[in-house]
Amino acid sequence: DQQVKQNSPSLSVQEGRISILNCDYTNSMFDYFLWYKKYPAEGPTFLISISSIKDKNEDGRFTVFLNKSAKHLSLHIVPSQPGDSAVYFCAASQDSSGTYKYIFGTGTRLKVLA
Amino acid sequence: EAGVTQFPSHSVIEKGQTVTLRCDPISGHDNLYWYRRVMGKEIKFLLHFVKESKQDESGMPNNRFLAERTGGTYSTLKVQPAELEDSGVYFCASSQTVHEKLFFGSGTQLSVL
Repeated sequence: DQQVKQNSPSLSVQEGRISILNCDYTNSMFDYFLWYKKYPAEGPTFLISISSIKDKNEDGRFTVFLNKSAKHLSLHIVPSQPGDSAVYFCAASQDSSGTYKYIFGTGTRLKVLA
Repeated sequence: EAGVTQFPSHSVIEKGQTVTLRCDPISGHDNLYWYRRVMGKEIKFLLHFVKESKQDESGMPNNRFLAERTGGTYSTLKVQPAELEDSGVYFCASSQTVHEKLFFGSGTQLSVL
């Protein structure tokens, strides 16, 4: 049973426009969320994170929004650039009982068209 | 500073053979994780070391998989005997503390024929 879901396998956006990537989760105990970007033949690289005590975190062109009541988070990229074309993974974690692991979604492939 | 390194980058073996994957985490990172991604699916948690101790191995598929972390430094993941469904990309990641971002290696692409 997948606890972190990215229901859009792919997304195409024109350069300069906004990219919105979505992620839903089922476990209300998750308290920390991250977005990773992955290029082909490379490992995922950290992009941005948000704690459950916040509802927004911004870093340059990247903003993550968290809606705890809806168990939903989204990543906004503005403006989108061709170099942003990659697979984006949402991840969530829960600190409990001494175990700490990140649960990842299936990823969304973003293609930014020049 | 060197990142997380994994070896080999690719491995092609036949069903029934043994394969050992190695991961060198970032120096000083006590936390080491193994993940696996089967094509098109999620990056799935396998296990978590804190130094040399297995903190959580709930994601290990079965007893054909054995992970070790010698002296709390590098880690190996052995698959013996390999089955077709073990194919995928195996990622290693490390972090200094548990509540921070993970740094990933480039992964080992394992193909079992």
